[in-house]
Amino acid sequence: DAGITQSPRYKITETGRQVTLMCHQTWSHSYMFWYRQDLGHGLRLIYYSAAADITDKGEVPDGYVVSRSKTENFPLTLESATRSQTSVYFCASSESLMWNYGYTFGSGTRLTVV
Amino acid sequence: AQKVTQAQTEISVVEKEDVTLDCVYETRDTTYYLFWYKQPPSGELVFLIRRNSFDEQNEISGRYSWNFQKSTSSFNFTITASQVVDSAVYFCALSLPAMDTGRRALTFGSGTRLQVQP
Repeated sequence: DAGITQSPRYKITETGRQVTLMCHQTWSHSYMFWYRQDLGHGLRLIYYSAAADITDKGEVPDGYVVSRSKTENFPLTLESATRSQTSVYFCASSESLMWNYGYTFGSGTRLTVV
Repeated sequence: AQKVTQAQTEISVVEKEDVTLDCVYETRDTTYYLFWYKQPPSGELVFLIRRNSFDEQNEISGRYSWNFQKSTSSFNFTITASQVVDSAVYFCALSLPAMDTGRRALTFGSGTRLQVQP
């Protein structure tokens, strides 16, 4: 199916473990984004990417790493998970056209760090 | 930097009441886009509307309407005759038509939780 897919939907991990959240889109959108959602904060930007091999930090990047070797994939890695990284993570993509600003979101990954 | 403020953390209404969700934004750019998203209990983000800064015409879609006022930097959302299915968290967001991807990213407000009681 076309769209943007996040996996897993739910994940429980232990403090200190590395965990990777996957994001895959089928439209070949240039722009991709990772957000985390926390109560009282709305969604905050973690990392973003303008194209394959081009990534940059957002508002809350500490403790996270991203890569984008292919246009369609944008994995987010927590190098050493902490309890403060318990959150719901959303991946989004956007077309490159200047005046067609649509953002498509994945269904989210609920991550619990114990 | 851009900022979006949704001062109403939670609103509770009884079915069939009208309700307005407030959104105030800050940006130094003259061209920008404003959005509203709905997040039902199932958790996904549902796109509701996108508004360009140069189009101040208000919009109505069924029971939903949006009031965009540049003079007060507000983009408020009204639900007329609310229904239980409207219960959700609603987010207002802003983005810029910039080459800098960071500025293109959506800046979200903290959200307003709407509870519609039967």
